[in-house]
Amino acid sequence: EIVLTQSPATLSLSPGDTATLSCRASQNVTRFLAWYQQKPAQAPRLLIYDASNRAAGIPARFNGSGSATDFTLTISSLEPEDFALYYCQLRNDWPVSWTFGQGTKVEIK
Amino acid sequence: QVHLVQSGAEVKKPGASVTVSCKASGDSLTDSFIHWVRQAPGQGLEWVGRINPNSGGTYYRQKFQGRVTIIRGTSSTTAYLELSRVTSDDTGVYYCATQQQDGDHFEDWGQGTLVTISS
Repeated sequence: EIVLTQSPATLSLSPGDTATLSCRASQNVTRFLAWYQQKPAQAPRLLIYDASNRAAGIPARFNGSGSATDFTLTISSLEPEDFALYYCQLRNDWPVSWTFGQGTKVEIK
Repeated sequence: QVHLVQSGAEVKKPGASVTVSCKASGDSLTDSFIHWVRQAPGQGLEWVGRINPNSGGTYYRQKFQGRVTIIRGTSSTTAYLELSRVTSDDTGVYYCATQQQDGDHFEDWGQGTLVTISS
């Protein structure tokens, strides 16, 4: 099973800054990576799928990139509502299962 | 878009079984799967299992094998998660989520169900 390692664990930034979140896979990813945002006491929300496609209604300041083992979520010009937890996720081929990274918290500096 | 509504909070004693339901409405589930994801207090997201509402076929996370069962309701718009022989480690919020057949990601999420295991 592929292990996803997210870094940093916490990112302290100010509104208007750019956030760069990393997700590294323990082996080459043959399927597509997704990113989710989670706010306190809320369910996760899909942001990015297939590594770089924004989900419906997601603002253009959210961008996903990467391939093989290294993936990045970039949030340009942080808005107050962007301070939250972010998780990456992929599907494993064998055993068939789904894996999440441990999360990156984007907090207000 | 699929709207998912989960059953209410549960409190169980160690060793008991707990069942959580997830009812879908909105777009058809014909081309979707339903997953269960849990989150222990202050922790990250952990995938539990998946069901194909049309065939009833399932996948489970290996660590839950033998303790977890995901089944569909008679209308195929409801999925149930049953977890047996629960311990305090099973305390957390359980979410259901949909996956489209042409993707590997979770599109729509339920509101979450808090399961508390306490003696």
